[in-house]
Amino acid sequence: GAGVSQTPSNKVTEKGKYVELRCDPISGHTALYWYRQSLGQGPEFLIYFQGTGAADDSGLPNDRFFAVRPEGSVSTLKIQRTERGDSAVYLCASSSTGTANSPLHFGNGTRLTVT
Amino acid sequence: GDSVTQMEGPVTLSEEAFLTINCTYTATGYPSLFWYVQYPGEGLQLLLKATKADDKGSNKGFEATYRKETTSFHLEKGSVQVSDSAVYFCALSDQGAQKLVFGQGTRLTINP
Repeated sequence: GAGVSQTPSNKVTEKGKYVELRCDPISGHTALYWYRQSLGQGPEFLIYFQGTGAADDSGLPNDRFFAVRPEGSVSTLKIQRTERGDSAVYLCASSSTGTANSPLHFGNGTRLTVT
Repeated sequence: GDSVTQMEGPVTLSEEAFLTINCTYTATGYPSLFWYVQYPGEGLQLLLKATKADDKGSNKGFEATYRKETTSFHLEKGSVQVSDSAVYFCALSDQGAQKLVFGQGTRLTINP
């Protein structure tokens, strides 16, 4: 079946611009996660949704980052006034229940480059 | 805070060699432990997991045992194949937490 889909796969933007990254989770999965992976590092947690609400946004680095999931399915990660340090691969994952032991299914990521 | 430390790579082995990738963790509670793998051009996928001390996770010939006394979860495989070439990530999830903490990853290359 269809996995987690992320679009675009690559995004190049200029410093100071606004970007939106989209995630389509596996159908029926209630939990959705965003992670950020810098070059040579492991993924770092950004935010977790259970349904429509952000249950844990403790990983968002600052108020330039915001994410929504208005209908409990598709999610959008929004970054305002992008900086070169925002360049990374942004990963989305979903799980069926969101419990600690429910396996995460990851998308292939969006590679963001800020020039 | 919680953290995961993996052996640094890259690791290069010949086919049929024995593999060990070390992983140690620091956690305040009683975490679940995971190994995720990222094959070239693909997304991260769960390889195996263990949820309590002395549990052994296994999949595709890979094994890892949850060692609470040494806070470790080393990944092993007796005979690696070229198709095992990938980046391997050790991770933990603390009890009740809904997020994973990952190590930095270990790139493994298997030569025929």
